[in-house]
Amino acid sequence: DQQVKQNSPSLSVQEGRISILNCDYTNSMFDYFLWYKKYPAEGPTFLISISSIKDKNEDGRFTVFLNKSAKHLSLHIVPSQPGDSAVYFCAAGGSSNTGKLIFGQGTTLQVKP
Amino acid sequence: GAGVSQSPRYKVAKRGQDVALRCDPISGHVSLFWYQQALGQGPEFLTYFQNEAQLDKSGLPSDRFFAERPEGSVSTLKIQRTQQEDSAVYLCASSIAGPRAGKLFFGSGTQLSVL
Repeated sequence: DQQVKQNSPSLSVQEGRISILNCDYTNSMFDYFLWYKKYPAEGPTFLISISSIKDKNEDGRFTVFLNKSAKHLSLHIVPSQPGDSAVYFCAAGGSSNTGKLIFGQGTTLQVKP
Repeated sequence: GAGVSQSPRYKVAKRGQDVALRCDPISGHVSLFWYQQALGQGPEFLTYFQNEAQLDKSGLPSDRFFAERPEGSVSTLKIQRTQQEDSAVYLCASSIAGPRAGKLFFGSGTQLSVL
């Protein structure tokens, strides 16, 4: 039972264009969501988060949108840069009282120069 | 330290061997998590500590897996009688606050290969 799903294993965009990464979840008890970025041979690093009381959070080139009725969130990167090439994981929390996060399978983003 | 430190970076074990993986969290971080990441998958929760107390071990796949954090800082994940399906990257993460902290800081992981 996969509670957090990233249905696109990979995405390729041109430098300067927008990258849109998508994530769907099934558990309505989740009340906060995060995006992590992972380079090869490194651990995931935190990128941006959003609480379920909001529908948008912005941090520089990164914006996360949350659609609670659709149980869907997306990460927009504008403009995309070659250094953004990495694996992106969405994660959800709040369904338990231990703070554990449930991760999606990841989307590999390639930004071409 | 500056970040979460894990050792060893790589571990090759023969099937049936016991292994111990170490995690040094960021100093002062209350919460510590262990995750298992199989190839091509996202991290999967194994267990959670708040200080020295193991509050959630629901993700441990079998009783061959054991984790401890006796003094509320360094943690060890032990796998007994390793099997090939245990091959994965084991990630440790810490956060400054207690439950529902959200933002986790991850180490680089220990890549375990069981032959």
